[in-house]
Amino acid sequence: DSGVTQTPKHLITATGQRVTLRCSPRSGDLSVYWYQQSLDQGLQFLIHYYNGEERAKGNILERFSAQQFPDLHSELNLSSLELGDSALYFCASSAGLAGGHTGELFFGEGSRLTVL
Amino acid sequence: GDSVTQMEGPVTLSEEAFLTINCTYTATGYPSLFWYVQYPGEGLQLLLKATKADDKGSNKGFEATYRKETTSFHLEKGSVQVSDSAVYFCALSRGSTLGRLYFGRGTQLTVWP
Repeated sequence: DSGVTQTPKHLITATGQRVTLRCSPRSGDLSVYWYQQSLDQGLQFLIHYYNGEERAKGNILERFSAQQFPDLHSELNLSSLELGDSALYFCASSAGLAGGHTGELFFGEGSRLTVL
Repeated sequence: GDSVTQMEGPVTLSEEAFLTINCTYTATGYPSLFWYVQYPGEGLQLLLKATKADDKGSNKGFEATYRKETTSFHLEKGSVQVSDSAVYFCALSRGSTLGRLYFGRGTQLTVWP
């Protein structure tokens, strides 16, 4: 158990809809990262938050947004969903700004999104 | 840009066989290199890492050596077990963006008894 909790584990929705994925980082971790894992693209970095502030953006679509709340949990919002958004979305956390300077991230089990 | 290329497999081995999963990278400067493992139904977890050239990372019988001259970080294990069956990801990170990992596509390993 990594200590990172993601909900829901599975989600099925229709094209055009909006969903919210939730992540609770390990206790005390200030950094939260979101990754998308798809058959086409593999594991892709989406976004990084540190103590409530956005720190880095990767290949995140404009239809997607994220935030980190004062209690450090994070939400990834996906809107106007398309079939191609079907993927496994991982949240990861680390203690410091730069992965605790070790690069070690602690991953949740992921949220599997299916868009029909 | 930064990228990682690894053999995609799947790799199927008998128990006690020798394992090599190749990984090469492209990056500016001196990245840190990692192997992560994903067991069925679980998230990724760090297996081993190396932060500078010629470093050898090791854990649970797995080893990988950071070779700057060949830009490689191949994963090896002398004798695999059924419990090693998983997907293995090679990854790199750089400098000020240490938390941002660039992953390879993953290699599915299946070990038969």
